[in-house]
Amino acid sequence: GAGVSQSPRYKVTKRGQDVALRCDPISGHVSLYWYRQALGQGPEFLTYFNYEAQQDKSGLPNDRFSAERPEGSISTLTIQRTEQRDSAMYRCASSFSLFGEQFFGPGTRLTVL
Amino acid sequence: QKEVEQNSGPLSVPEGAIASLNCTYSDRVSQSFFWYRQYSGKSPELIMSIYSNGDKEDGRFTAQLNKASQYVSLLIRDSQPSDSATYLCALTETLNDYKLSFGAGTTVTVRA
Repeated sequence: GAGVSQSPRYKVTKRGQDVALRCDPISGHVSLYWYRQALGQGPEFLTYFNYEAQQDKSGLPNDRFSAERPEGSISTLTIQRTEQRDSAMYRCASSFSLFGEQFFGPGTRLTVL
Repeated sequence: QKEVEQNSGPLSVPEGAIASLNCTYSDRVSQSFFWYRQYSGKSPELIMSIYSNGDKEDGRFTAQLNKASQYVSLLIRDSQPSDSATYLCALTETLNDYKLSFGAGTTVTVRA
């Protein structure tokens, strides 16, 4: 079946602009996670959802970052007033349950000029 | 997030040899441990999980966990060129915590 999909795959934006990154999890997966990965580093946790409920947002760097999953399926990570330090690979993962294996999507490469 | 330490490598091994990767962590309450493989330019994929002390074998991979020493390792036997990748150690902090804390990864190169 289809894996986790993310769009866009690449996003170039100017400093100060807002961006919205989309994640479409594997069908039937109730848990969805957002991570950020810098070059040469492991993924860093941002937030996660169980169904539509945002269970933990402790990894969001500041209040410019927000995420939603209104119908318990597709999720959107929004970054307002982007800054150059926001440039990174943003990865989404989903799992069948909270205890399940996390399957990662291909990521969105965000570049803020 | 809890500290997870890995040697960055690169670790270069000849084809057919054993590759040994190590990971240490700082928090004694860490519960679940995972090894992910990440090919260059690709997303991480889970190859092993381990939850209790001891060894766990899956094909050519063996994970070893020692919670008292706060140490988890991955052995890759009969290394193949296709094993060349970055290997990421990850953990969850408690039984009710599902977010993963990752190390920076160890890059492995298998020489044909």
